[in-house]
Amino acid sequence: GQNIDQPTEMTATEGAIVQINCTYQTSGFNGLFWYQQHAGEAPTFLSYNVLDGLEEKGRFSSFLSRSKGYSYLLLKELQMKDSASYLCAVRWASWGKLQFGAGTQVVVTP
Amino acid sequence: DSGVTQTPKHLITATGQRVTLRCSPRSGDLSVYWYQQSLDQGLQFLIQYYNGEERAKGNILERFSAQQFPDLHSELNLSSLELGDSALYFCASSVAFSGESDTQYFGPGTRLTVL
Repeated sequence: GQNIDQPTEMTATEGAIVQINCTYQTSGFNGLFWYQQHAGEAPTFLSYNVLDGLEEKGRFSSFLSRSKGYSYLLLKELQMKDSASYLCAVRWASWGKLQFGAGTQVVVTP
Repeated sequence: DSGVTQTPKHLITATGQRVTLRCSPRSGDLSVYWYQQSLDQGLQFLIQYYNGEERAKGNILERFSAQQFPDLHSELNLSSLELGDSALYFCASSVAFSGESDTQYFGPGTRLTVL
């Protein structure tokens, strides 16, 4: 597989906005997924991007720039329940399956 | 609830033993994926089946094997277990394997502890 990089941890205050970046090597890219995972639980699908631009789903938005090998997940109006790990996953054309980043632990404080 | 079911939820066994983990995909999904998640390794892809056929392999050890049955449920067999096999094992399913229909929905996982 190829490298998928995302920050290890981010802390933000309830009601604020947090942006989680994900970078990857562009060669062979065929789609990017974001998942949320609470400790000890299953990953839950949040968003899918394959074309450049912004996809908005309620408080969560995801952006993709294929030429830069860059995506971000934007979490708005943070709530305590948003404290979780956020996983960036890339589908490579040669694989046809997902490769997950190590995840970004978001901690929401009162 | 994703619609993917996994049994058992917890499994405690000894080194050298063999276990079988079971997964039932969401209704209508033909693809099944197995992942291993340990504290220091993140979510690692093991193997994928599509409509009964093996489609892709990841970092799956030779001691591990899987199959998908005609009713589309899948089993992951882990043998000659070692302490390092202790992890959460997730099953995921998707409709197909391209485009947004490749979105994978995860089951609740099986927590395996090898003593």
